Parts: sequence; structure tokens; C-alpha cells
Amino acid sequence: QVQLVQSGAEVKKPGASVKVSCKASGYTLTDNYMHWVRQAPGQGLEWMGWINPSSGGTNYAQKFQGRVTMTRDTSINTAYMELSRLRSDDTAVYFCARVPTLRYCFDMWGQGTMVTVSS
Amino acid sequence: EIVLTQSPDTLSLSPGERVTVSCRASQSVRSSYLAWYQQKPAQAPRLLIFGASSRATGIPDRFSGSGSGTDFTLTISRLEPEDFAVYFCQHYGSSRWTFGQGTKVEIK
Repeated sequence: QVQLVQSGAEVKKPGASVKVSCKASGYTLTDNYMHWVRQAPGQGLEWMGWINPSSGGTNYAQKFQGRVTMTRDTSINTAYMELSRLRSDDTAVYFCARVPTLRYCFDMWGQGTMVTVSS
Repeated sequence: EIVLTQSPDTLSLSPGERVTVSCRASQSVRSSYLAWYQQKPAQAPRLLIFGASSRATGIPDRFSGSGSGTDFTLTISRLEPEDFAVYFCQHYGSSRWTFGQGTKVEIK
């Protein structure tokens, strides 16, 4: 079964970092770019950036540059998103999402990881 | 940066009715870069339409997309009970990916 499975919910204090994992199964991670999108409670979708799992190259939304790092471990078919210097307004559900080859859309999404930032 | 504005914010409709959701871009965009998603509570978004008018795998034919330039439309020909959800449009351009603010389709 082709799917993306993310790590579980996290609770962090302001100023801390969080690292969310996204394991691809049923296909090879390096075949497609992986993006990260977040959604604050009751809000819309916000694109954070992508990683090319084949090369490790990344492209981050300007808003997150300097705070976000996207990596991958191809040996276990898993992508990661780490967000540092967390603030309360980083409280959101974080999704990984795959882009199919030669398309400009997200055809598969992880189930989401709730990250709560609270003192 | 291209901004996508959806209208209306909320639609209150009954099963069987026709749904039209608009997505307007702040400047002309390539149709191949425009997609639509459905999101239900506590779920991830699901791809409905890509390339402005192509249905994704497994999407019923009551869902259709159209438009070009700055104006795009998602249509549901006859609302089914499972279609009550939030719908988002999405665009890729200049190495950036953006979403509309969402349109909630609720039961009247």
C-alpha cells in the first residue's frame, strides 16, 4: 500500500525545536519531491518548502528560512522536517505531501502531526 | 507572489444541489499549475483536480474543474452527503506553492 506515515504528536516549549518524520511505504522516497505543509487550528494550508530526496536539495518558503531544515534518510525511506526556535504561533498540524513526477500538485499526504507549542 | 482568493467562504447547501467554488488568482497563471483539494475534519487534504481540469485517480465524475488565466472553478454536479467538507485551490509558480483560503461547504 502506497502511503506516507508521520510521527506522533509533539508538545514543545517556546524556543525549542521539533523534528517530524514522514516514512514512505509502497514506493521509493527518491522517486518524488517531498513537501511540507502546515495548518494552524481552524486555518488554511501554508506551504513550508520541499526536499529532493534524491539529491538532498531543498527549497524553503521565505517565511521559514533560517528556522526550518528538511532532510532525508534514504536507507529507511524517510523524510524529516525540523523547525527550530518554536513560537506559540507554530502550533499547527504539519503534513508531508508528495508531488508526482511532472505534476504541480500534491497527490499523497501524510496523516499529519500535531505540534503544540506552549509554556 | 501570486495570491489565490476563493469565493464564497462558506456555502450552505442541501444534498443533490450543484456546487460552484471560485478561485481567483492575483495575476494570470498556467492552468497546468492549478489544483483543487477536499479536506474533511481531522483528515489530510485529498487531491481532486490537477491541471485545472483533470480528475485525480478515484475521484467521482461529479467533480469537475475549469477555468484559465485568473479565474478557475470547481464544480460538484450533485452534492452527496460525503461531499460536505472544505475545498482549497492551490497554485505553483516561481518556485512557490500557494493555497486559497478555503471554502466550506456545509449542510443547510
